[in-house]
Amino acid sequence: AQTVTQSQPEMSVQEAETVTLSCTYDTSESDYYLFWYKQPPSRQMILVIRQEAYKQQNATENRFSVNFQKAAKSFSLKISDSQLGDAAMYFCAYRAAGNKLTFGGGTRVLVKP
Amino acid sequence: DVKVTQSSRYLVKRTGEKVFLECVQDMDHENMFWYRQDPGLGLRLIYFSYDVKMKEKGDIPEGYSVSREKKERFSLILESASTNQTSMYLCASSLYSGRGGEQYFGPGTRLTVT
Repeated sequence: AQTVTQSQPEMSVQEAETVTLSCTYDTSESDYYLFWYKQPPSRQMILVIRQEAYKQQNATENRFSVNFQKAAKSFSLKISDSQLGDAAMYFCAYRAAGNKLTFGGGTRVLVKP
Repeated sequence: DVKVTQSSRYLVKRTGEKVFLECVQDMDHENMFWYRQDPGLGLRLIYFSYDVKMKEKGDIPEGYSVSREKKERFSLILESASTNQTSMYLCASSLYSGRGGEQYFGPGTRLTVT
């Protein structure tokens, strides 16, 4: 079975600085998708960024970018120029064929003003 | 915008009660999902449905059942609630497997079983 591991339960970052969240996964598939979801306090979970495994280029969405290392099965998220609104739980998720997502345990990001 | 709504934000039930959690999506999505979220464990899939009246077990289906009589509505049923089912329950929907199968989430129901 696929597993997703987020080794950092909590990360703290100063406003305007950069923080990197780590995620590793275990799979025997070659074609799959990886996601980072954000869950703000008391608000709905939303998709931050998506990476397709067959694409070598790392995905970028404004201040959010990923470092996808397929051979190492690593998928880290970098948040640049951190803002107070970035404070949230962040979940890494994996999906191969089919519709099921497998989530990591989450990383809480705290942003200090 | 895709909208996924859940019937309650907070719910308190007694042990042994039958509990219904409802989820409605307004974007004609084929797939719907129920997860439970616990600290440190992330989200774990309970059941999902890829069509009306179709369902598949997820990773932790024990103690739960589901119903999907209409495309837009997916219900999670706790036949006899127990204290270990105290958790946050999240519903999600997605269009299909294509384009990464992005899932859209509801606001969650925090269920407490006493």
